[in-house]
Amino acid sequence: EVQLLESGGGFVQPGGSLRLSCAASGFTFSSYAMSWVRQAPGKGLEWVSGISGSDMNTYDADSVKGRFTISRDNSKNTLYLLMNSLRVEDTAVYYCAKVESWNYFDYWGQGTLVTVSS
Amino acid sequence: SALTQPASVSGSPGQSITISCTGTSSDIGIYNYGSWYQQHPGKAPKLIIYDVSNRPPGVSYRFSGSKSGSTASLTISGLQAEDEADYYCSSYTTSSTWLFGGGTKLTVL
Repeated sequence: EVQLLESGGGFVQPGGSLRLSCAASGFTFSSYAMSWVRQAPGKGLEWVSGISGSDMNTYDADSVKGRFTISRDNSKNTLYLLMNSLRVEDTAVYYCAKVESWNYFDYWGQGTLVTVSS
Repeated sequence: SALTQPASVSGSPGQSITISCTGTSSDIGIYNYGSWYQQHPGKAPKLIIYDVSNRPPGVSYRFSGSKSGSTASLTISGLQAEDEADYYCSSYTTSSTWLFGGGTKLTVL
C-alpha cells in the first residue's frame, strides 16, 4: 500500500525558513517523480515543485522560484521541500504527491500546515 | 495562470452533471494528460480521472472524462450525496510545470 507522510509544518514569521519532509513507502521511490502541491485556506490547489526520480531534475512554480528547493534522498525514501524567505501568502497545507508517468498525481499525503504570520 | 473551471455546479440525486476545464494549446490542448481530483472537506485530493478519460481502480463508473480541443470535461452520472465535494482538473504543460483549475464546488440538492 502506497503511503506518503508529511511532516515539518508549523508556525514561522515572514522571512523565516522551514523544511518539510515526506516519508514514502509501498512503492519503489527512486523510480517515480514526486511533487509538492499546496492549498491556501479556503482556496484551490497550486502546484509548487516537482523532482524526477533518479536524475534529480527539478521544476518550480514561478511563485516559489528562487525561494523554495525541492530535493529527495532515495536511500531514505524521503522527499523534502526547503522553504526560505517565507511570505504570508505561503500559508497553506502542503501535500506531497507521487507523480505517475510525469503526468498525474496518483497518491497524496495527508498534508502538513504551514502558517506564516507575524 | 490556472485552468478555468466554473466555481460551482449543482444537481439532484440521480441526475448527471458536467464540469468543464478550459486551458490552452500549451497544456490541455497539446497533451492527453488531463486529470481530475475529488476533494472532500478536510481531506487530501483523490485522483478520479487520468489521461483525460481513464478511471483508476476503485473509482466508480459514474465518473467519466472527455476532451475537446483545449477543454476537458468531467461528467458524473447518477449523482449521489457522497459526490458532494470540490473537483479540480489538472494538466502538465509545455513549460514542464503543472497547472490546476480553480476548483468547482459540487452541491447535491
